[in-house]
Amino acid sequence: DAGVIQSPRHEVTEMGQEVTLRCKPISGHNSLFWYRQTMMRGLELLIYFNNNVPIDDSGMPEDRFSAKMPNASFSTLKIQPSEPRDSAVYFCASSFFWEQFFGPGTRLTVL
Amino acid sequence: AQTVTQSQPEMSVQEAETVTLSCTYDTSESDYYLFWYKQPPSRQMILVIRQEAYKQQNATENRFSVNFQKAAKSFSLKISDSQLGDAAMYFCAYRATSGTYKYIFGTGTRLKVLA
Repeated sequence: DAGVIQSPRHEVTEMGQEVTLRCKPISGHNSLFWYRQTMMRGLELLIYFNNNVPIDDSGMPEDRFSAKMPNASFSTLKIQPSEPRDSAVYFCASSFFWEQFFGPGTRLTVL
Repeated sequence: AQTVTQSQPEMSVQEAETVTLSCTYDTSESDYYLFWYKQPPSRQMILVIRQEAYKQQNATENRFSVNFQKAAKSFSLKISDSQLGDAAMYFCAYRATSGTYKYIFGTGTRLKVLA
């Protein structure tokens, strides 16, 4: 299995632009998580889905952030408009039962 | 609400020596999972070891073992025969077995391995 796949691995954009991060979970996993990691705030859970349904989005910082999971094999995290304080590493993770596997992360830089 | 606390922001260990990383948690649940994840400079999060709360026996994976004290809500990670490749951030995490699929992570401990 290829593991959790995230794209792009690196994204540099300018303030105000729309950013879309993509994730392909491991086949057969029924839960998907989006995390954000920064030096200041550590690892934060933004949102998670179970069977493609958003269960808890209380970690989404503001309305500029949105996430979708149209099917079991694909999810997106969108930031519109982006701001410099959104610069971070964004991880996608998937799980089946208890074990959670992380993707390699997307390093986002907003100038 | 469940919380996970790692009180050691940074630790150092001499190569081939043993080091213990601390983790405490708070929960009202009786059954749950606990994990240690490793994040090397590559930033890939790697599962090191897990412990089911209903099991009294401490989990072991090669050089990695845990000391699980359920009553004290403590879950420490012991790394034996430390190697240079063990240098990384280590995160303790908690997940209940029912009700929610959320994983609660600690703030991490940066481990340095000295040659």
